[in-house]
Amino acid sequence: GAVVSQHPSRVICKSGTSVKIECRSLDFQATTMFWYRQFPKQSLMLMATSNEGSKATYEQGVEKDKFLINHASLTLSTLTVTSAHPEDSSFYICSARRGGPHEQYFGPGTRLTVT
Amino acid sequence: GEDVEQSLFLSVREGDSSVINCTYTDSSSTYLYWYKQEPGAGLQLLTYIFSNMDMKQDQRLTVLLNKKDKHLSLRIADTQTGDSAIYFCAERTSGGYSTLTFGKGTMLLVSP
Repeated sequence: GAVVSQHPSRVICKSGTSVKIECRSLDFQATTMFWYRQFPKQSLMLMATSNEGSKATYEQGVEKDKFLINHASLTLSTLTVTSAHPEDSSFYICSARRGGPHEQYFGPGTRLTVT
Repeated sequence: GEDVEQSLFLSVREGDSSVINCTYTDSSSTYLYWYKQEPGAGLQLLTYIFSNMDMKQDQRLTVLLNKKDKHLSLRIADTQTGDSAIYFCAERTSGGYSTLTFGKGTMLLVSP
């Protein structure tokens, strides 16, 4: 199967600090990786799309300086939430596409709590 | 614009059939998907249907698509307690590599 992992699964940080979330495709090379944000009882909102070695494409309303995305290899993408605030608390889910449009696999998510 | 709507909650008894409904607004949808999310986990693709199809069946799952009404449904036969989860409808528009737009999810609760 195609497995996507995220680390950490849960993180608590203080307001003003930065936190990095890793997303890895464990058994395949991902042509494209996606980062989503999910609020309670809400749908997944796409934050950004990234291809290996190039800059991420951010959705409208997402601050690129606040949510830094690095897609350094075909199996690893990172999301860094800089100068985190309590309103950044959310469930962040990454997704990796292996090939065709139906081959998009999701990680288990990271619960971020900013105190 | 793109908008996908789902009812938020469905409760059924074990052994019954479950039907989860979804409506979408973008007529250029090419593929429509159903994902399952268990607590604390990511999304698992259950099935998808191409927009020129009316129905797709895969074991206990039946997907019906009414393109005229922009209505999609997922029927789960012989629902089990392990089917309890949140089910997301999603559409992909205007080409195979466009992004997914998700509904808010339907929480399915299966009681013994």
